[in-house]
Amino acid sequence: GAVVSQHPSRVICKSGTSVKIECRSLDFQATTMFWYRQFPKQSLMLMATSNEGSKATYEQGVEKDKFLINHASLTLSTLTVTSAHPEDSSFYICSAYAGTGSYEQYFGPGTRLTVT
Amino acid sequence: RKEVEQDPGPFNVPEGATVAFNCTYSNSASQSFFWYRQDCRKEPKLLMSVYSSGNEDGRFTAQLNRASQYISLLIRDSKLSDSATYLCVTQNFGNEKLTFGTGTRLTIIP
Repeated sequence: GAVVSQHPSRVICKSGTSVKIECRSLDFQATTMFWYRQFPKQSLMLMATSNEGSKATYEQGVEKDKFLINHASLTLSTLTVTSAHPEDSSFYICSAYAGTGSYEQYFGPGTRLTVT
Repeated sequence: RKEVEQDPGPFNVPEGATVAFNCTYSNSASQSFFWYRQDCRKEPKLLMSVYSSGNEDGRFTAQLNRASQYISLLIRDSKLSDSATYLCVTQNFGNEKLTFGTGTRLTIIP
C-alpha cells in the first residue's frame, strides 16, 4: 500500500510554544489530506480537511487560528499547533487520499504531542 | 448521539474462539463502510470494506444491513495477533471524510 510519513513521531513542548507536524505522502500525490486527533480511549476525531493549494476546511469546534494547516504541495501538509496548552496533548494522525478512483485513505504513523 | 456507535468492550476471548462485533450508524447518507484495526499507540489500518452482499477475507466476515443501518464483523478461529481495537468507519458518497466509531477493544487470551 501507499506510504505516508509523519514527523516528528513524538514531541514534548512547553505551554505557550508552537509545534509543527509534517505529513508526507512518499510514493503518491495526495490531492487531499486529513488531520485527526485522538485522545486516550477515544476515537479519531476529524479536525480538518486539507486540499493542495487551497484553505483547509475545519470541523465544527476546531479553532482554525490555533491549528494552522498548510498544504503547499501534493506531497506535504503541515499542522501547526500554536500557543499549545496541556489540553492540546493528544495523538495527531494525518491521512492522505489520492483521489484517483480509490476510496482508501492512507494513514501516517501519528505524532504524540505532550504539552507540559 | 454519536454518528457511529460501537460497544467499547473490552471483549476478552480465548484463542480459537469466534467473536462478533456490531456497529450502528445514524447518517443515512453514508455510502461506504469499513472496519479498521488499531493497535495501541499506532495508526488505524484498513482491515476490510463492508458490502451489502457481505464479504469474507480469510477468518474475517463483514456484513452490512442498510435498512437497519447496522454493520457487523465476525472473527473466526481467533489468534493472539487479533488483539487490537476494531473501529467501525463510515464514509459519505462524494465526500472522502471518514467518520470513526469509538472502537471495540478485543483481547485474545492464550
